[in-house]
Amino acid sequence: DTEVTQTPKHLVMGMTNKKSLKCEQHMGHRAMYWYKQKAKKPPELMFVYSYEKLSINESVPSRFSPECPNSSLLNLHLHALQPEDSALYLCASSQAPGTRQDTIYFGEGSWLTVV
Amino acid sequence: AQKVTQAQTEISVVEKEDVTLDCVYETRDTTYYLFWYKQPPSGELVFLIRRNSFDEQNEISGRYSWNFQKSTSSFNFTITASQVVDSAVYFCALRAEGGYQKVTFGTGTKLQVIP
Repeated sequence: DTEVTQTPKHLVMGMTNKKSLKCEQHMGHRAMYWYKQKAKKPPELMFVYSYEKLSINESVPSRFSPECPNSSLLNLHLHALQPEDSALYLCASSQAPGTRQDTIYFGEGSWLTVV
Repeated sequence: AQKVTQAQTEISVVEKEDVTLDCVYETRDTTYYLFWYKQPPSGELVFLIRRNSFDEQNEISGRYSWNFQKSTSSFNFTITASQVVDSAVYFCALRAEGGYQKVTFGTGTKLQVIP
């Protein structure tokens, strides 16, 4: 079983809604990630938090807003999304960002549908 | 720039057959890290292995084995005596030492094991 927990598993939202995706890890990892994955494509990096600070933003539209309340939690706030934002959103974590032994572990993902 | 190529888009095998998934990578870095992930239909990306560029030993884990060949920039993955539970999309990925937390994924190979 994954040690990166994501909620909700499935989310359907309208284009005017505000919702959030949540992620939690209890492995003591110091980096957390959001990836977006469209059907039949590899995951695409969106954001990276390292030691609770945003370290990478891959030019993601502002309708996606990440938040890292503490080292174990990561949220992705969603507002005014478009149907093309429908995808699998994967949260991930890694132990020691920037070190040789760093490996990224993923959660089960949140399937998002924008209607 | 980094690149990971998984030329096999889809592979079908009959249960108990052996199957090899190919991965070819490109990087200018002398130190880098290679990964394989498994993604079943449920969505979670499951970490399988990390291989460091300075460690060319091949590895075997149960029915899984990995063949790392620096000379041909390949990191192939073999499943012996395949089972239906092996059906999934498999991603090969690369991270350069200087690449901080950015991982480059291949496009994935969908493996279907037919009973």
